[in-house]
Amino acid sequence: AQSVSQHNHHVILSEAASLELGCNYSYGGTVNLFWYVQYPGQHLQLLLKYFSGDPLVKGIKGFEAEFIKSKFSFNLRKPSVQWSDTAEYFCAVITYSGAGSYQLTFGKGTKLSVIP
Amino acid sequence: SQTIHQWPATLVQPVGSPLSLECTVEGTSNPNLYWYRQAAGRGLQLLFYSIGIGQISSEVPQNLSASRPQDRQFILSSKKLLLSDSGFYLCAWSVREATEAFFGQGTRLTVV
Repeated sequence: AQSVSQHNHHVILSEAASLELGCNYSYGGTVNLFWYVQYPGQHLQLLLKYFSGDPLVKGIKGFEAEFIKSKFSFNLRKPSVQWSDTAEYFCAVITYSGAGSYQLTFGKGTKLSVIP
Repeated sequence: SQTIHQWPATLVQPVGSPLSLECTVEGTSNPNLYWYRQAAGRGLQLLFYSIGIGQISSEVPQNLSASRPQDRQFILSSKKLLLSDSGFYLCAWSVREATEAFFGQGTRLTVV
């Protein structure tokens, strides 16, 4: 079965610091990749997605992620974080699970705390 | 536009009581539907997913069950709740062609 690994459980950064959150998945076939964000007290929202094409994808609020197929990775980056980026971030993968169905699998999440 | 409704937002139930959480999607047809449980530090655990009416796949054996009586309705149930069923339950939908999922607001279930 496919799995998604997020290596950092909790990341604490000062404002203006650069961010990189790791995400690796285990699946040898075609994947669609996502990063979701959950701000305190809010529901999950899509931050960015990768289906095909340019492996460097840009999302909302200055976030970007790079798909490296050889490393089975889809790391999230932001050059300069803000206090408002404090949230929990989830990496997710859609894989084909047979009979015309697709399965969405999430990582365990990384909590980001940005200190003003 | 598509919307997803999930209710109730919060629920406190005694151990041994039944459970029924409902999720409906509007503005789309034949969606994939999902139930997830979110626990602190454990991310989102896929409980059930459905590709069509009456078609339910269970990812984790447990005290819960799911049903899809209509195309855009997905119900999470239990006959007898356990303390360990407490958690935050999320319903989500996606189109069948494997695009992103859209989430409901979630239900905070506390079993006492």
